[in-house]
Amino acid sequence: NAGVTQTPKFRVLKTGQSMTLLCAQDMNHEYMYWYRQDPGMGLRLIHYSVGEGTTAKGEVPDGYNVSRLKKQNFLLGLESAAPSQTSVYFCASSLDRGWGTEAFFGQGTRLTVV
Amino acid sequence: GENVEQHPSTLSVQEGDSAVIKCTYSDSASNYFPWYKQELGKRPQLIIDIRSNVGEKKDQRIAVTLNKTAKHFSLHITETQPEDSAVYFCAASPSGGSNYKLTFGKGTLLTVNP
Repeated sequence: NAGVTQTPKFRVLKTGQSMTLLCAQDMNHEYMYWYRQDPGMGLRLIHYSVGEGTTAKGEVPDGYNVSRLKKQNFLLGLESAAPSQTSVYFCASSLDRGWGTEAFFGQGTRLTVV
Repeated sequence: GENVEQHPSTLSVQEGDSAVIKCTYSDSASNYFPWYKQELGKRPQLIIDIRSNVGEKKDQRIAVTLNKTAKHFSLHITETQPEDSAVYFCAASPSGGSNYKLTFGKGTLLTVNP
């Protein structure tokens, strides 16, 4: 049981380049999330999804797009990377039980935009 | 939307002492309050959670208390050990469904000195 897997683990981009981060979970979770973690800022929610085919904006959505075409995958796209998007990105997923349940995190993706 | 404030941002204790981290939240609809521990370079992992129908929950040396009237909850670690050194995050969320999303505090860096 792999849990939540993120691809890639590290990436360096030049300003203006685009990329897609892939999150895959094998726990049949309904909810999936993308967070970014910056020093002193905690975990800030970028976008999230409450089920296949749905997405919603979080706290810091600007400059990012997401898609959830399959229940097990949640993709985060950067269309034109900026240095301000240098961060560690975490994907997470959780079950829908009608109440809050544990969120399982991926191992993180360290992105540097130069 | 939900706003979670966490204090202190850093906490240093001697081994064997207790540590207390406090969080406040703004959305009265929140009813699930998890705590995550993140060791250096690792992913956040759930250590304990509490739902609004209880006021306190314990798991060995860790306890969480919740005051829904005052909208605050706290993490208590007793008999601290060096391996407790990490960043701790509190979070809050409403019930499941389309409104469900986990909002985190900015984190507390706990250092336990031998």
